[in-house]
Amino acid sequence: DIQMTQSPSSLSASVGDRVTITCRASQGISNYLAWYQQKPGKVPKLLIYAASTLQSGVPSRFSGSESGTDFTLTISSLQPEDVATYYCQKYNSAPRTFGQGTKVEI
Amino acid sequence: EVQLVESGGGLVKPGGSLRLSCAASGFTFSSYSMNWVRQAPGKGLEWVSSISSSSSYIYYADSVKGRFTISRDNAKNSLYLQMNSLRVEDTAVYYCARGGTSSPLDYWGQGTLVTVSS
Repeated sequence: DIQMTQSPSSLSASVGDRVTITCRASQGISNYLAWYQQKPGKVPKLLIYAASTLQSGVPSRFSGSESGTDFTLTISSLQPEDVATYYCQKYNSAPRTFGQGTKVEI
Repeated sequence: EVQLVESGGGLVKPGGSLRLSCAASGFTFSSYSMNWVRQAPGKGLEWVSSISSSSSYIYYADSVKGRFTISRDNAKNSLYLQMNSLRVEDTAVYYCARGGTSSPLDYWGQGTLVTVSS
């Protein structure tokens, strides 16, 4: 099975900082990569799919990119409401594995 | 408005069984694949199982294969997860989520808590 390795596991940044989270697939998954945001006590929310397509309603400070089997979620200017845990997930085939998650704090 | 509402969670002893349900509304249920995803207390997300729109394709995580059975009733707009031989490590919030082959999980329910404990 393809493994999804996410890093870092946690980070602390200041309001306005640029934040980058990385997800690496152990094999090629094309661009079948999604990013989810889960705020404390809340349901996960789809942020980005197809590696770089922003889900409707998601602020433009979020962006995604890919380079081979490496995928990146970037928050261009961190806001207080972005405090959450972020997960990547492959969805090209089963198992639809999630990364371990990255907890973002201010 | 798309809505997914899970039910059926609760406290069960190790080795016991439980059946989760997910009632869908606001979209053409029979056109979409569906999934179960779980989250143990304080842990990350774990994909559990997927079922295609017509139930032709069904997949499970290795951790539940042989113990859990996913099914759906398109006439009732409902998704199910039959969980047998439950273990303490199956304790989690179980979410149903819409999403198929080559598509992400775009809508999630609020989740239902399953606690396996003696």
